[in-house]
Amino acid sequence: ELKVEQNPLFLSMQEGKNYTIYCNYSTTSDRLYWYRQDPGKSLESLFVLLSNGAVKQEGRLMASLDTKARLSTLHITAAVHDLSATYFCAGGDTSGTYKYIFGTGTRLKVLA
Amino acid sequence: DSGVTQTPKHLITATGQRVTLRCSPRSGDLSVYWYQQSLDQGLQFLIQYYNGEERAKGNILERFSAQQFPDLHSELNLSSLELGDSALYFCASSVAGWGLAGSHDNEQFFGPGTRLTVL
Repeated sequence: ELKVEQNPLFLSMQEGKNYTIYCNYSTTSDRLYWYRQDPGKSLESLFVLLSNGAVKQEGRLMASLDTKARLSTLHITAAVHDLSATYFCAGGDTSGTYKYIFGTGTRLKVLA
Repeated sequence: DSGVTQTPKHLITATGQRVTLRCSPRSGDLSVYWYQQSLDQGLQFLIQYYNGEERAKGNILERFSAQQFPDLHSELNLSSLELGDSALYFCASSVAGWGLAGSHDNEQFFGPGTRLTVL
């Protein structure tokens, strides 16, 4: 069964700095999702990555996928306070009955 | 606002009881997904329906069941409730689903959630 691991679990960073959140997965996943969740709120879809080498960018966030390394990254450029949230990656487990598997989440806090 | 609606927003009930959570997908979406989020289990995929049929199944307990109706809204039924069932339950919808025509990226849009408290 697919396992999805994120690191770090917690990240406190200064405004204006860059950082990367890593998402490793254990077996083949047919796609990789990134979501954002604000405290007490629902999940917001950020990116869906479908193929090796896929790169998507939205504002200060850029996501990439390396299927050979079974790794996806979410890069934050010049962080601002509004990016403070929990970020989840999720994969699609195609072994057996299809299911979606989420990572544990990375709680990001951007300090002014 | 994702366009996905869920009712009720909050639900407080007792152990052993049965509750029903309701979800209406975005207009035009045929797939509905149910997720459970709790502090100890994290985010867990429960089940997916596409156009009324079960399409994918995750870690859904036998005490839980779901269905999608002809108007595409979905209900998640939780019975014989236990304290550990207390969680946020999210519904999401997408145009299609894995392996289905039009599924391309299968982006999912989440509803606001139902917070279930079992006392």
